[in-house]
Amino acid sequence: EVQLVESGGGLVQPGGSLRLSCAASGFTLSGYWMYWVRQAPGKGLVWVSRINSDGSTTNYADSVKGRFTISRDNAKNTLYLQMNSLRDEDTAVYYCARDFTWAAFDICGQGTMVTVSS
Amino acid sequence: DIVLTQTPLSLSVTPGQPASISCKSSQSLLDSDGKTHLHWFLQRPGQPPQLLIYEVSNRFSGVPDRFSGSGSGTDFTLKISRVEAEDVGVYYCLQGIQLPLTFGGGAKVEIK
Repeated sequence: EVQLVESGGGLVQPGGSLRLSCAASGFTLSGYWMYWVRQAPGKGLVWVSRINSDGSTTNYADSVKGRFTISRDNAKNTLYLQMNSLRDEDTAVYYCARDFTWAAFDICGQGTMVTVSS
Repeated sequence: DIVLTQTPLSLSVTPGQPASISCKSSQSLLDSDGKTHLHWFLQRPGQPPQLLIYEVSNRFSGVPDRFSGSGSGTDFTLKISRVEAEDVGVYYCLQGIQLPLTFGGGAKVEIK
C-alpha cells in the first residue's frame, strides 16, 4: 500500500525545536517532489515547504524561512522537517504530501500535531 | 502572492441536488506550457486533504464522475452534479504556478 506516515510532533515551548519525519512506503521516495503543508486548529491549509526529488532544491513559505529546513534521505525513504525557533503560530497539524503534478499532491499522510506553548 | 478567493464559504445541499464552488485568482494561472495549475481538494472531517481535480478539469483516479472542474485564467468552478452524504467536508482550491503555493480559504459543504 502506498502511504506516508508522519511522526515527531508534540508539545514544545516557544523557541524550541522539533524534527518531523515522514516515512514513505509502497513507493520510492526518490522519484518525487515532496511537500509539507500545515493546518492550524480550525483553520485552512497552508503550504510550508517543498523539496525536489534529489534534495538539491528547496523552497519555503516566508513565515518559516530561516527557521525550518526540509530535507530527505532517499535511501531511508524518509522526508524531514527540522523546525527551530518555534512560535505559538506554528501550532498546527503538519502533513507531508507527494507531488503528482505541479503541487497537485496525490498522497498525503494523516498528519502529526505540533503544539507550541509555554 | 497569488490570492485565491473561494465562494461561498459554506453551503448546505439536499442529497441529489447539485452544488457549485467558485475559486477566483488574483493572477492568471495559465502557464507558458499551456497548462493551468489550479487543483481542487476535499478534506473530509478529521481526514487529510485528498486530490479531486488537477489542472482545472482532470479528475484524479477514483474520483466519481459527479465531480467536475472548469474555468480558465483566473476564474474556476468545481461542480458536484448530485451531492451525496460522503461529499461532506471542506473543499480547497490550490494554485501551483507560483511560489508561495497558495490555497483558497475553503468552502464547507454540509448536507441538509
